[in-house]
Amino acid sequence: NAGVTQTPKFQVLKTGQSMTLQCAQDMNHEYMSWYRQDPGMGLRLIHYSVGAGITDQGEVPNGYNVSRSTTEDFPLRLLSAAPSQTSVYFCASSYLLGGLNTEAFFGQGTRLTVV
Amino acid sequence: AQKVTQAQTEISVVEKEDVTLDCVYETRDTTYYLFWYKQPPSGELVFLIRRNSFDEQNEISGRYSWNFQKSTSSFNFTITASQVVDSAVYFCALTPGPRSSASKIIFGSGTRLSIRP
Repeated sequence: NAGVTQTPKFQVLKTGQSMTLQCAQDMNHEYMSWYRQDPGMGLRLIHYSVGAGITDQGEVPNGYNVSRSTTEDFPLRLLSAAPSQTSVYFCASSYLLGGLNTEAFFGQGTRLTVV
Repeated sequence: AQKVTQAQTEISVVEKEDVTLDCVYETRDTTYYLFWYKQPPSGELVFLIRRNSFDEQNEISGRYSWNFQKSTSSFNFTITASQVVDSAVYFCALTPGPRSSASKIIFGSGTRLSIRP
C-alpha cells in the first residue's frame, strides 16, 4: 500500500496564482484532513472530511477550498495564492477502529512558497 | 474549546540523559483521544502513541514511556537514556470524542528536542 500520497512535494507560486494540492489514500479511510505547518505554531487544521461528499472548515480555512468526490481523494485548492500561505501542507487520513479514533496517517508534505 | 499546550519550545540534553516532554490539554468532551507524534529532520510525521480518555493506564515502550493523568489534564512523554536519533520535534495532539470529529486533530505547538553526543 502507498498510504497517503501528496503531490507535488515542492511548489513555488506567484501571488495571485491558483493551484491544487493533491492528496490520495489507498487505505479506504473514511476521514481525511488538511493541515498547514508554520514555525512555532504546530499544525493547524484547514479543512476536513468525514466521508465522500462531506467537508467542513477547520481553524484556518480562508483562502482554501476542498472537495471530496471519492473516498480516496481530497484535493486542496488555493484560490488566489498569497505570501501568507507560504507553509508546509500535510494531508492526513484516519478511521475508526471499534468505534474509537485511530491515529492519523500523514502524507510526506508539500512545501509551498508564494512569492 | 479544545487546546493542547506544549510549554517547552526547545530542550537540549546530552546523550543518555532522561528527558520529559510536557503536554497539557483542554477539552470539555468526556471522551477524547490523545496522541504523540514525532517529526524527525526529514519532515515526515511519525505516530508514537494513542491514549483514550477512559484508559489512564501508563504505557512503556522500550525507552519511551507516557504518563496520562486526567486529574491534571496532562499527557507527558519521557525518553529514558536518550540517543542522538531521538532528536526531532515532538507534537502532542488531541481529537475530540464524537465520530464526526475523528479527523479534527488539535496539535500542540511542538517541542524541539536536541540530543547532543
